[in-house]
Parts: sequence; structure tokens; C-alpha cells
Amino acid sequence: DGGITQSPKYLFRKEGQNVTLSCEQNLNHDAMYWYRQDPGQGLRLIYYSQIVNDFQKGDIAEGYSVSREKKESFPLTVTSAQKNPTAFYLCASSIGDGQETQYFGPGTRLLVL
Amino acid sequence: AQSVSQHNHHVILSEAASLELGCNYSYGGTVNLFWYVQYPGQHLQLLLKYFSGDPLVKGIKGFEAEFIKSKFSFNLRKPSVQWSDTAEYFCAVNDYKLSFGAGTTVTVRA
Repeated sequence: DGGITQSPKYLFRKEGQNVTLSCEQNLNHDAMYWYRQDPGQGLRLIYYSQIVNDFQKGDIAEGYSVSREKKESFPLTVTSAQKNPTAFYLCASSIGDGQETQYFGPGTRLLVL
Repeated sequence: AQSVSQHNHHVILSEAASLELGCNYSYGGTVNLFWYVQYPGQHLQLLLKYFSGDPLVKGIKGFEAEFIKSKFSFNLRKPSVQWSDTAEYFCAVNDYKLSFGAGTTVTVRA
């Protein structure tokens, strides 16, 4: 069953702590993306990767980091430098780096303790 | 990057009413256009898309959208809504990256 999985569904972060959100896809897509969803603001692009071992900053990359060591995996780390991390985080993938349709995972909700 | 405007933040309808959600983007050129839907507790999923050809596109669950190039618009329509259409709807535009509107919450009353 092809798709995108994200874990955990809910994540709690303490002040000063780094946390990592997992995103895995078995669609054999080259491109992967991380978005942040806040009420009334739609989705904003954090980072994207068009190929393994390469990634680019999106519109709101400050306080976040990513890696792309495998085609299937694109984890996102929310660092302590991100002062307002409470949000819903969505991972997506697409066939290439062009204008193709993006397919989304179920999301991770991050809450700050 | 494109700026995408969705005209309504929250729409409340009764079942069988018609639905139209507005979407405008900021500038022309070659763009791909999408409507995504997020049902309560579910993934964001593709409702329909326009890449080229007939500007009237049909999607899943009876939805359709019309691309009007001169107005930079891609409005979503459904002639008769059902309670199960309650969801958040996002318009998105892709020229070199995908830009989303703020979303419209649609509540359908039974």
C-alpha cells in the first residue's frame, strides 16, 4: 500500500529541546517537502529536497533543519531556535522537482510543554 | 512566489445548497493549479487540478473548477453539497514552487 507515513501523530517539546519528526514515503518519489500549517495561514514551506543529499530552504526555514540521506526518508528537526514551534507539520512528496501533484502525509501535531 | 487569495474564511451552508469558493493568484505565466481538501481527521488530499487544456476541470465527489486566465482565478464549485463535504479547502498554485491560500472552512448543516 503506497503512501507517506509520518510519526509520531502528536509530539511534545520542552523548552530548549530539539525534536525530530519522521517522514517516510514508498512512492519512489524524488522530491519531498515539509510544510507548517497554522490556523488561517494555509501551508507554508519549510524545506524541500529534490534529490538525495540535497535540500533547499523554503519560506520559513529558520529554527528548522532537515536531512535527506535516503530517497524514502526526509526527517525534520525542530530546534530550540524555533521560538514558536506549536503547529501542525505536513510532509509531502512528488515525482520530481517540477510542477507535479504533491501527495501529503497525515501530519504531526507539535505542542510545547 | 505567487500570492494566493481565498475569498472566504468560513462558509456555512445547508445540504443541497450550491457551493462556490473563490481563489485568485497574483501574477500570470505558466502555472499549475490545484484544490486540496482536508476532511476532519484525514490527510490533505487532491480534489482536482489544472495543468493545461479545457479550463473547466472535474474532480472527485462532484466538484469542478474553472480556470479563467484573464482574471488569475481558479474558482471551485459544487452544485449540491452534502454533509460529508464539511472540510477545509485549500487552493494552491505552482509556478516554480507550490503556494497555498489560507484555506476556507466549509460547514454543511444537515
